[in-house]
Amino acid sequence: KNEVEQSPQNLTAQEGEFITINCSYSVGISALHWLQQHPGGGIVSLFMLSSGKKKHGRLIATINIQEKHSSLHITASHPRDSAVYICAALGGPNFGNEKLTFGTGTRLTIIP
Amino acid sequence: NAGVTQTPKFRILKIGQSMTLQCTQDMNHNYMYWYRQDPGMGLKLIYYSVGAGITDKGEVPNGYNVSRSTTEDFPLRLELAAPSQTSVYFCASSYLGGQPQHFGDGTRLSIL
Repeated sequence: KNEVEQSPQNLTAQEGEFITINCSYSVGISALHWLQQHPGGGIVSLFMLSSGKKKHGRLIATINIQEKHSSLHITASHPRDSAVYICAALGGPNFGNEKLTFGTGTRLTIIP
Repeated sequence: NAGVTQTPKFRILKIGQSMTLQCTQDMNHNYMYWYRQDPGMGLKLIYYSVGAGITDKGEVPNGYNVSRSTTEDFPLRLELAAPSQTSVYFCASSYLGGQPQHFGDGTRLSIL
C-alpha cells in the first residue's frame, strides 16, 4: 500500500478556473515535493516544502504538518498547465531520509 | 545545459536479452537515482548512489544491477530481460539527498 495518497486521480477544468490537488501521507515526514510530468513524459521539480507555503508564478503549494496534508493550487489555469502532478514524501520512519516515496499522480486537463 | 541525459529513448528487447540503460549528468551532483514508472503506479526506486563507488538498493532492485565509477555516469543493467520489466525508466540526480531532483527524459522499454 502506497503511504502517499493523491486526490483526485483525474481533474478536468475550464481555462481560468482555480485548481486544487491534494496529497496526504500516513506518517511524519521531513519534506514534501511536488513535481510536474509533461504530456511528453519529462518530469520537473516544482516545489520542496517542509512547512507553510511556497509560491512560484501561478502555482502555490501549502503543507500542514499536523494534518499530514499538502495541497497544490493553480490560479488562472491555462491549457499549458495540463500535465500529471505528483507529490512525493521525504523522510520519516517508513520513507528514509534520502529517498522519496511517490504518489500515483493527478492528471490535470485544462480545456480552452 | 544538458542536465541529465538518458539513452536510448526507446528500446524493444526479447525475453532473456540483456541491455544497459545509460545515464549521465553534468551538474556535478553527488546523488543519482534510477526509477521505474508503471501505468497507474507511482515512481518506484530501483537503485541509488550517493557518490562514485557507492550504490544501494531501492524498493524494486531485483533483475537490475548498477555501477557508479564516475560522478557523471550511473548505468542501469538488465541481465535477463523479463516481461515484468516493461516500463518507463527515469534517471535522476541531486546534489544532496532529499533535495529536488533533476530528471532525464526517460527510456521506454518493452520486453516481448
